[in-house]
Order: sequence, then structure tokens, then C-alpha cells
Amino acid sequence: DTEVTQTPKHLVMGMTNKKSLKCEQHMGHRAMYWYKQKAKKPPELMFVYSYEKLSINESVPSRFSPECPNSSLLNLHLHALQPEDSALYLCASSQEGLAGKNEQFFGPGTRLTVL
Amino acid sequence: GQNIDQPTEMTATEGAIVQINCTYQTSGFNGLFWYQQHAGEAPTFLSYNVLDGLEEKGRFSSFLSRSKGYSYLLLKELQMKDSASYLCAVSNDYKLSFGAGTTVTVRA
Repeated sequence: DTEVTQTPKHLVMGMTNKKSLKCEQHMGHRAMYWYKQKAKKPPELMFVYSYEKLSINESVPSRFSPECPNSSLLNLHLHALQPEDSALYLCASSQEGLAGKNEQFFGPGTRLTVL
Repeated sequence: GQNIDQPTEMTATEGAIVQINCTYQTSGFNGLFWYQQHAGEAPTFLSYNVLDGLEEKGRFSSFLSRSKGYSYLLLKELQMKDSASYLCAVSNDYKLSFGAGTTVTVRA
């Protein structure tokens, strides 16, 4: 299994809603990532988990809350989002969260629209 | 900080060769990746360079010069399906920092 899966594929939510994005991988990877990508822009790193611990938070607003329940799962909890948070949210994983070759495998993304 | 530059757009004819350049200035370097991303889809891995020189993989080759902070991705025998955005990304500790991407359009 060389796949990273994400659910849902599309999500529309209001600014007062609470929702969660889910990501799963069964490649035995120990590092998992959340990225945000706006149209015609590169992915921007949001969070990195290494061995189920939060390693990097790129100064992301607290309305985004990551969670890593186990080594295969990564969630992103959303609350009180703004319309400018509408984007493609990509999950990725890599074998190790260390320096060196760190090929990241990306999931298909969740297309989020905040109304 | 990280500064990664690549051209915004390139156009080429089917069957031709296109070279996408990437220059970088980063506060640490553990390798350079090239990813392909079709519109609305996730990035997919193409190549990785950590030592100077050329890495060849089928129709795609990637070159790195660490002293010059320079890489290129060479796409040969272009096919229509190669129309996509190509992202240069530098690995630094835990992070991949991406360039803005180069949109390649292949014309018949």
C-alpha cells in the first residue's frame, strides 16, 4: 500500500461550523504533514508530526488544530474558519522526519470552501 | 529564510525537450526534489538530488549544482500528458520548501 488517503474530498462549511479533515497512511511512515495550497500557489507547510509528536507548527492560527491519534492517522480539526481559509488541504507522509532524503507522499487533498 | 525561484510558465511542442531551471538560497540543504502536479490533483514525486550531477529516470532527468544553488529538470520527448505544474522543493531538516511552480503547456 503506497497510498495516502484523505477524507472528505470536498467540504463546504460555514464560519461557525466545526469540522475535521482526516488523513491515513499504511506505509509505516513516521512523519506526517499538513499543507495548505491556494490556487496557482505552491503548498505551504502548516504542521509536521514526527513519531506522533508535533514537531513543527508554522505559526498556524489556533482555529486549525492538528491531532495524531496513532502513527497511521492524522486529523485536522477546523473551527471558526474564515473565507480566506478556503484552499486545498494536502496531507503527506514520509518514512522518517529527519534530515536527508525525505520523499513525501501526498494524498489527493481536501478541497475546503468556507462560506 | 528560504528563497526558491523558477520560471512561471513554459510552452513547448509535443516531442520536444524542455528544461525547467530552479535556483535556491536556503539556510540549510538536505536535498532537492522535483514534483509534478496536475491541476486539482496532489503533487507526485519525480526526482531527488542530494549530490552534484545528473540523475536520469526515463524521460525525466534532474541536475544539481550545490555550489551554484542551481537545479534543472529536463523533460524529453514531451507528451500532452506532461502539461502540468512542476514544483522545485528544497529539503531542510523536517521541511520541504517549495518554489512557486512552473506551468508547462505542451502543444500538438
